[in-house]
Amino acid sequence: NAGVTQTPKFQVLKTGQSMTLQCAQDMNHEYMSWYRQDPGMGLRLIHYSVGAGITDQGEVPNGYNVSRSTTEDFPLRLLSAAPSQTSVYFCASSYWGRGNMNTEAFFGQGTRLTVV
Amino acid sequence: SQKIEQNSEALNIQEGKTATLTCNYTNYSPAYLQWYRQDPGRGPVFLLLIRENEKEKRKERLKVTFDTTLKQSLFHITASQPADSATYLCALDGGYGQNFVFGPGTRLSVLP
Repeated sequence: NAGVTQTPKFQVLKTGQSMTLQCAQDMNHEYMSWYRQDPGMGLRLIHYSVGAGITDQGEVPNGYNVSRSTTEDFPLRLLSAAPSQTSVYFCASSYWGRGNMNTEAFFGQGTRLTVV
Repeated sequence: SQKIEQNSEALNIQEGKTATLTCNYTNYSPAYLQWYRQDPGRGPVFLLLIRENEKEKRKERLKVTFDTTLKQSLFHITASQPADSATYLCALDGGYGQNFVFGPGTRLSVLP
């Protein structure tokens, strides 16, 4: 039982490049999400999904795309990297409980992204 | 506007003392509130969840209170140890069927 697995752990991109951050979970959680964490700003929600084929925007979605073709995987795509996207990215999953009550989240180890 | 605040960016306490961290929120009506621990270079780890109809929740040396009138949660670590040093995040649900919203965190240092 690996939990939430993110790859890569570190990445350096040049401005304008694109890349995909991978996230996989093996807990059969319906809900998956991507956050970015910046100093002094806490975790901010980028995109989320409540099940396969369903995605929606969070607080800071611009410049990012997601898809959810399976319950297990939720990749985050940076379309054209910008220095403002330098951050630590976390993927999380949780059980989307009865009454659509979100429960405790399980986080991946994070991806530290630098855009130069 | 909606806001979540945690009492201070950093808190230093002496080993053996009780650490008290505060989470205040405005313009939310959460059904529950959660606390997470985050170590440097790692993802947050869930600690406790308290629902709006619960005043207090305990788990070993941890205690959480939730006052919906004051719009505040207090997180206590009793008999603190250097191993408790970490950043602690509060998170609340933004409403029915809504996502988590996280506070900025408090970095706790327990000094031996």
